[in-house]
Amino acid sequence: AQSVTQPDIHITVSEGASLELRCNYSYGATPYLFWYVQSPGQGLQLLLKYFSGDTLVQGIKGFEAEFKRSQSSFNLRKPSVHWSDAAEYFCAVGAAEYGNKLVFGAGTILRVKS
Amino acid sequence: EAGVAQSPRYKIIEKRQSVAFWCNPISGHATLYWYQQILGQGPKLLIQFQNNGVVDDSQLPKDRFSAERLKGVDSTLKIQPAKLEDSAVYLCASSFNPGWGAGGTDTQYFGPGTRLTVL
Repeated sequence: AQSVTQPDIHITVSEGASLELRCNYSYGATPYLFWYVQSPGQGLQLLLKYFSGDTLVQGIKGFEAEFKRSQSSFNLRKPSVHWSDAAEYFCAVGAAEYGNKLVFGAGTILRVKS
Repeated sequence: EAGVAQSPRYKIIEKRQSVAFWCNPISGHATLYWYQQILGQGPKLLIQFQNNGVVDDSQLPKDRFSAERLKGVDSTLKIQPAKLEDSAVYLCASSFNPGWGAGGTDTQYFGPGTRLTVL
């Protein structure tokens, strides 16, 4: 079965600084990969997804992620963080052979300091 | 376009009581999901419906949890009796169809969730 690891529970960055959130997955074939963001008291919002093709994926709010098969990673990046980006970020993996069920990582809480 | 609606937003009950959550998916979405999100963890799928049929309920504790999706639209998730460890946020999500297909159109859209506290 597929699994996801987000090694960082908390990350703090200064406003305007660059951001990288790590995500490692475990799955034998090519997975479907997602990043979601969750603000306090809100549901999850999709930032971006990778199904196939170009390994650098652009998402909403200026986020991007790169699929690296050799490293089993799908790290999320943003060149300049805004205070409104403070939230919890979840990486998820899906696979057609598992009925397209999403398996989520434990999440990374992003704090932005001014 | 209206999003996924859930109610109530918050619920506090005593252990051994019963509770029910309601979800109204995005109009036209055939697939509906219920997730449990325990504090400090990512969401875990409890049950997946395709129209009004169950696709996957392998992680649903069937001795106490039940879910239905009548007429393939709204859904309710029930816990009876509740335990302390059921304290969590229950998220409902929907997608247009379960197949990824070319281009992958099956984004899951999430509701705001119901926060359950069991005392």
